[in-house]
Amino acid sequence: ETTLTQSPAFMSATPGDKVNISCKASQDIDDDMNWYQQKPGEAAIFIIQEATTLVPGISPRFSGSGYGTDFTLTINNIESEDAAYYFCLQHDNFPLTFGQGTKLEIK
Amino acid sequence: QVTLKESGPVLVKPTETLTLTCTVSGFSLSNARMGVSWIRQPPGKALEWLAHIFSNDEKSYSTSLKSRLTISKDTSKSQVVLTMTNMDPVDTATYYCARIDCSSTSCSYFDYWGQGTLVTVSS
Repeated sequence: ETTLTQSPAFMSATPGDKVNISCKASQDIDDDMNWYQQKPGEAAIFIIQEATTLVPGISPRFSGSGYGTDFTLTINNIESEDAAYYFCLQHDNFPLTFGQGTKLEIK
Repeated sequence: QVTLKESGPVLVKPTETLTLTCTVSGFSLSNARMGVSWIRQPPGKALEWLAHIFSNDEKSYSTSLKSRLTISKDTSKSQVVLTMTNMDPVDTATYYCARIDCSSTSCSYFDYWGQGTLVTVSS
């Protein structure tokens, strides 16, 4: 089973900041990494697929990088609407596994 | 517009069987290589994949929970049903369903999610 170590668990940012969220896999998963955004009471939104590809309709302020075991979700020019819970998913092998999640607060 | 919506009991007693329904719209469960997964998240913990079912009735289960889970679908009702037997307080979680789209050359995992339903296990 592939363990995903996501960090930080919590972060606070100011509008206009750039933030990075890390997800490290316990084994090589190629680029089989997705990122999601979830706000309380709402369905999760698919934002990055295959580690680096922005899902259509998602703001280009979001970007993904990485391959193999180290992955990063970057949010540029943070806006108040970006306050949410972010999590990663590896779909390289079963069972599919998730990171622990990051709660992003906007000051 | 693709939507998924979970429904089921809010409260179950220990040892009871949980039955959850995911009703989908905007796509058909009979579409080639379309699937639905169930995922859960205990309070304060990470998400955990439980099971999936595809349009061809291919099924897969979490190894640790396989003995307690059954996933099925009713294409005519656009529903995917998950049953989990012998519920325990540690199974208290928000349960989600999410779509898997393998209709192209590769699979798009969990491109759409439901809002989730909180299930509490308590006597």
